[in-house]
Amino acid sequence: GAGVSQSPRYKVAKRGQDVALRCDPISGHVSLFWYQQALGQGPEFLTYFQNEAQLDKSGLPSDRFFAERPEGSVSTLKIQRTQQEDSAVYLCASSLRGRGLLSSYEQYFGPGTRLTVT
Amino acid sequence: AQKITQTQPGMFVQEKEAVTLDCTYDTSDQSYGLFWYKQPSSGEMIFLIYQGSYDEQNATEGRYSLNFQKARKSANLVISASQLGDSAMYFCAMREGSGGSQGNLIFGKGTKLSVKP
Repeated sequence: GAGVSQSPRYKVAKRGQDVALRCDPISGHVSLFWYQQALGQGPEFLTYFQNEAQLDKSGLPSDRFFAERPEGSVSTLKIQRTQQEDSAVYLCASSLRGRGLLSSYEQYFGPGTRLTVT
Repeated sequence: AQKITQTQPGMFVQEKEAVTLDCTYDTSDQSYGLFWYKQPSSGEMIFLIYQGSYDEQNATEGRYSLNFQKARKSANLVISASQLGDSAMYFCAMREGSGGSQGNLIFGKGTKLSVKP
């Protein structure tokens, strides 16, 4: 398919375990965003990549959260020592151009990974 | 401070009727963008419509239109001729045009729309 894909779709982790969530953006898209969506809330920004560079990680809630995009395509969001408050849907989005350009560019979202920490 | 406010947690509409979903925003930027996304139960966020702060005309995309009132800082979504498939969560979002978060989307809490047959 040509859309953004994420895996796994569902992940159950025991408190204290490390998890890795994968995002495959649309081919050729420069920008990649990670969002966290708690139950009943809108998505909240976590971090932003322009190609392989992580230009903004201001939304990462703690140093247990780490993201990478080493070759400027696939990205991985890693959460170490998961806590119950990490339970949420993690959404990845990509867009064709860089974040700073004001235009009608859309962010195309993946289906998300639902993380449940028990 | 909440930057995007959606005051309607849930809305009902009869099939084939029009419905307006409210959104107000708060920003001191002159340049910004406003978006509406639809999130069905499958979880994927689907882009519906965009309005730039300098656009003089209200945006329209098929059955979707955005009622942009800049002075009131409101960006309501109007869905005409509702269909059963329109039942979903709807999120209003703003992209700020300046500062360290330039380009990031800020979302409201969403409105759950239910279309009745």
